[in-house]
Amino acid sequence: GQNIDQPTEMTATEGAIVQINCTYQTSGFNGLFWYQQHAGEAPTFLSYNVLDGLEEKGRFSSFLSRSKGYSYLLLKELQMKDSASYLCATKDSNYQLIWGAGTKLIIKP
Amino acid sequence: IAGITQAPTSQILAAGRRMTLRCTQDMRHNAMYWYRQDLGLGLRLIHYSNTAGTTGKGEVPDGYSVSRANTDDFPLTLASAVPSQTSVYFCASSDRATGGNEQFFGPGTRLTVL
Repeated sequence: GQNIDQPTEMTATEGAIVQINCTYQTSGFNGLFWYQQHAGEAPTFLSYNVLDGLEEKGRFSSFLSRSKGYSYLLLKELQMKDSASYLCATKDSNYQLIWGAGTKLIIKP
Repeated sequence: IAGITQAPTSQILAAGRRMTLRCTQDMRHNAMYWYRQDLGLGLRLIHYSNTAGTTGKGEVPDGYSVSRANTDDFPLTLASAVPSQTSVYFCASSDRATGGNEQFFGPGTRLTVL
């Protein structure tokens, strides 16, 4: 079957670093995406990984290990505006996205 | 302004009624998608279209139909709404279905079926 797991909720402090993990089991693999979704808004794209390793983009980095079916999103220098849900999604053999339920990140001052 | 729009923003609908959710993009994207998002669940794909004139079923297609007569528009129709179709519906588009092309999302339609 197809399954994507990520923690339901995490809390972190402004200025700190947080790592959001995602494990997946999908039929075929054509890349992994991370999206950010603020409450009441649409998801917006953060990153895409198709090869193993770390992709860095400003304060955000995303890591992929295909052999372990594992990814993480690393957020540095946390700001209050980073309070949002973070959605992990993999692209399956039919090139359709399979989504995790999302991790709600709460930033405290 | 380039982007993807949805209408209506929200709707309350009586069970058994027919309803069409509209989606239009002006980015000339080939692929378009309809998702529903329910609390505690991930986005679930209802239907998709990889190019104008073609459509496909996603994970939860029952009770929904779509058409893709041209590149820009991808309406979603509920033939006879039921309360379990209460959800937030997102339309999305991407340049191509394959590769790392990101999906751009519309603002969503909040639908309540009573």
